[in-house]
Parts: sequence; structure tokens; C-alpha cells
Amino acid sequence: DTGVSQDPRHKITKRGQNVTFRCDPISEHNRLYWYRQTLGQGPEFLTYFQNEAQLEKSRLLSDRFSAERPKGSFSTLEIQRTEQGDSAMYLCASSLISEQFFGPGTRLTVL
Amino acid sequence: GIQVEQSPPDLILQEGANSTLRCNFSDSVNNLQWFHQNPWGQLINLFYIPSGTKQNGRLSATTVATERYSLLYISSSQTTDSGVYFCAVTGGTSYGKLTFGQGTILTVHP
Repeated sequence: DTGVSQDPRHKITKRGQNVTFRCDPISEHNRLYWYRQTLGQGPEFLTYFQNEAQLEKSRLLSDRFSAERPKGSFSTLEIQRTEQGDSAMYLCASSLISEQFFGPGTRLTVL
Repeated sequence: GIQVEQSPPDLILQEGANSTLRCNFSDSVNNLQWFHQNPWGQLINLFYIPSGTKQNGRLSATTVATERYSLLYISSSQTTDSGVYFCAVTGGTSYGKLTFGQGTILTVHP
């Protein structure tokens, strides 16, 4: 059983650049979630999809952030004009019904 | 939104000791999960337990939904149990969003 995968695992960028992360959920899971975790904190919800539809977005998801899941399979999270405060671990999860399973995360460092 | 509080924030044990971690939540929940975050940041599923009691080896968990708390028991702790333990819930008006507690940092010494 292949788990949730995320790419890249690490990303270092300069302030002002755009970055894009990819998440591949467990194959039969129709729900996909994005979270962000900063040092010493628990993960915070960003957004979630059921199939292609984006059903809920956090206020944390400013207009510099956009998430897509065009065919109801993989998802991308793009951050435009990155800021140092965007440095964090970005986690993706998927579920069939309720129980969520997490990927290994993408660690973003903005210099 | 729903609030999740975990206690204690830090716990230091000798190998072989038992421990109890607590998670309190402020509203009724549809989903409650316990995770162990390893040193590389991966969240490992321990239990999906919106109510009742479950056991998996040295770990067990109980959720009393009517009293809005859950407990995670670790028996005969090992050094590999070290890490951060998170409780997370879905509740209130949201059926997708997991709200996490601040975590309990467990350190097990040999």
C-alpha cells in the first residue's frame, strides 16, 4: 500500500520567489488536505478538497496561496512572492472517509 | 472554532515506565486521532478513536466523548517512543479540518 507522497521534500528559496509543492494521495482516497506546521507548534489546517472541489479554506490561506486538485487525484500548493514567515513544514494528508493519513511533508526555507 | 488542549506539555521517563497523555476538547467531535511525530517530521497514525477504547500492543487509547477528553496510555516505554504526540479532532461545523493540540514532547531515557 503506497502512502501519501510529497515532492519536493525540501525547498530553499529567496524571498519574493514563487514555489509549488505537489502531493499524491493514497490512490483510492477522495479527500485531500493541506496543513502547515511551524517549529514547536501543531499542524494548522490550510484547505481541503473532496475530489476536485475545494470545500474549505482557512483564513491562513492568504491570496498569495493557491491550491488545486484538477482531476481529483494529485494536488499542488503554490505560494507566490514568498516571505520569510512562510518558512514552515507543509504537510499533505488524504482520507477515504474520516481518518487522515499524512505524507512526509515539504520543508520550506525562505531566505 | 474547537479548542484542543494537551497535557502535560513535556514528559521525561525512564525506559520501562508507563505514562498517560491527556487531550481535552471544547466541543463535540466527529473524528479524533492520535499521532506520533518522528524526528523527521512524519506524522504516524496511532489511533482513530472518536469514542470508546482501542489497544495496539503497548499503546491504548480511550475517548469519553460525553466528557470531551481522550487519553493515550503508553506502557513499558522504550527509547523509540520518544517524540511528539499530537491529538487532533474534527468537530463543530467542520467535517474535514483537523484541529491539533500543541502536543506532548515525550523523552524516554535508557
